[in-house]
Amino acid sequence: QKEVEQDPGPLSVPEGAIVSLNCTYSNSAFQYFMWYRQYSRKGPELLMYTYSSGNKEDGRFTAQVDKSSKYISLFIRDSQPSDSATYLCAMTGLSGSRLTFGEGTQLTVNP
Amino acid sequence: KAGVTQTPRYLIKTRGQQVTLSCSPISGHRSVSWYQQTPGQGLQFLFEYFSETQRNKGNFPGRFSGRQFSNSRSEMNVSTLELGDSALYLCASSLIGKTYEQYFGPGTRLTVT
Repeated sequence: QKEVEQDPGPLSVPEGAIVSLNCTYSNSAFQYFMWYRQYSRKGPELLMYTYSSGNKEDGRFTAQVDKSSKYISLFIRDSQPSDSATYLCAMTGLSGSRLTFGEGTQLTVNP
Repeated sequence: KAGVTQTPRYLIKTRGQQVTLSCSPISGHRSVSWYQQTPGQGLQFLFEYFSETQRNKGNFPGRFSGRQFSNSRSEMNVSTLELGDSALYLCASSLIGKTYEQYFGPGTRLTVT
C-alpha cells in the first residue's frame, strides 16, 4: 500500500466551478503538507504548504489538513481554463527534506 | 530571483552508458534534492544534499549517485543505464531550515534506448 493515495482522475469541470482535490495518507509522522501544480512538460510548481492540521487560504486556493483522519484537500474556487494541470499532493515529516508525493490528479477546466 | 535551472533539458542515451545531470539552485538555497518522475511510479525521492554532503537517500540502486559543490550546485550521475531509467529527473532547492518548501526546476528528460 502506498503511503500517499491520490485519485488520478481525470477530473473535468466547467469554468467557474469549485474544484475539490484530495489525498489520504498512512504515515502519522507527516507534519508538512504541500500542493504542487504541474503543467505538461514542466516541473512541479509549489502552490502552498500547511503545517499540521488546519486551513490555509491563498487567493482562489484553500488547503485543508485533517490529521485525525489523515486526509488533506485543496479547493480551487472560480476555476479557470489556466488551472488545467496535474495537481500533486506531497508530504514530509519534521525533518522536512524527503517529500512523498501522491500520484497526481489530472484536472481539465473547460471554457 | 532566478529559479532552479537544470541542464541539459533533454538527453538520449543508450543502455550501458552513463549520464550526468546538472542543477543550479535558487540563489541562497543550500539544500538540493533530486527526484525521478515516471508515469508508473510518479515522483520518487532520490537523494538530498546540503553542505556538500548527502543527507538523505531514497530507495534507488547504487548506480544513482550525486554530489554537491561549494556553490550549492549539484550533479547527479547514473551509471550503466537501463531502459527503466527513462524518466524526468527533477531537481528541487530549498532554504536550510525550510526544506519542506521545495522549488523545482523544469527537469531533464532522459530517454534510454
